[in-house]
Amino acid sequence: DQQVKQNSPSLSVQEGRISILNCDYTNSMFDYFLWYKKYPAEGPTFLISISSIKDKNEDGRFTVFLNKSAKHLSLHIVPSQPGDSAVYFCAARRRMEYGNKLVFGAGTILRVKS
Amino acid sequence: NAGVTQTPKFRILKIGQSMTLQCAQDMNHNYMYWYRQDPGMGLKLIYYSVGAGITDKGEVPNGYNVSRSTTEDFPLRLELAAPSQTSVYFCASRRTSGRSDEQFFGPGTRLTVL
Repeated sequence: DQQVKQNSPSLSVQEGRISILNCDYTNSMFDYFLWYKKYPAEGPTFLISISSIKDKNEDGRFTVFLNKSAKHLSLHIVPSQPGDSAVYFCAARRRMEYGNKLVFGAGTILRVKS
Repeated sequence: NAGVTQTPKFRILKIGQSMTLQCAQDMNHNYMYWYRQDPGMGLKLIYYSVGAGITDKGEVPNGYNVSRSTTEDFPLRLELAAPSQTSVYFCASRRTSGRSDEQFFGPGTRLTVL
């Protein structure tokens, strides 16, 4: 049962334009959402996050939007740069009795063309 | 700080062999995690630990064992390797408290079981 879905396996964008990566979730118990970026042969690195009590969080060129009623979040990158080419994972946090767990989506490969 | 380190980077095992994937972090993080990533899939949680001496199962624990005798180290043991365990393994850690659930990942171990 995929609780976090990234339905677009890949996305190609021209340098300078906006990249929009989407993520849907099914579990209403998730209370925090994170985006990770991964380059080949490296581990994922944290990019940006948003609490379920907010609908927007911005950090430089990166903005995450959360629509709780639709159980949907999106990551906007403006302007896109070639160095943004990577795999982007959406993750959702579920609080457990001992520690929290993250559930990851399958990832979206972003290619930014120069 | 070296962050999260993993050894080895690559390994080929024969069916039925055993091995230990090493993970260490120097950030004094209490929480540590083991994930596996299969092609086209998100990261799946194998085991996690909330502190030395405390471990618990994640989504896909079968075929694996862990121990946590120190804060720094969190080794993952495969007792009888099977082809289904061919994957990339990531170790991660995070602080006990903080404004987000940001996990810091190691570079991964690519394991092939033949």
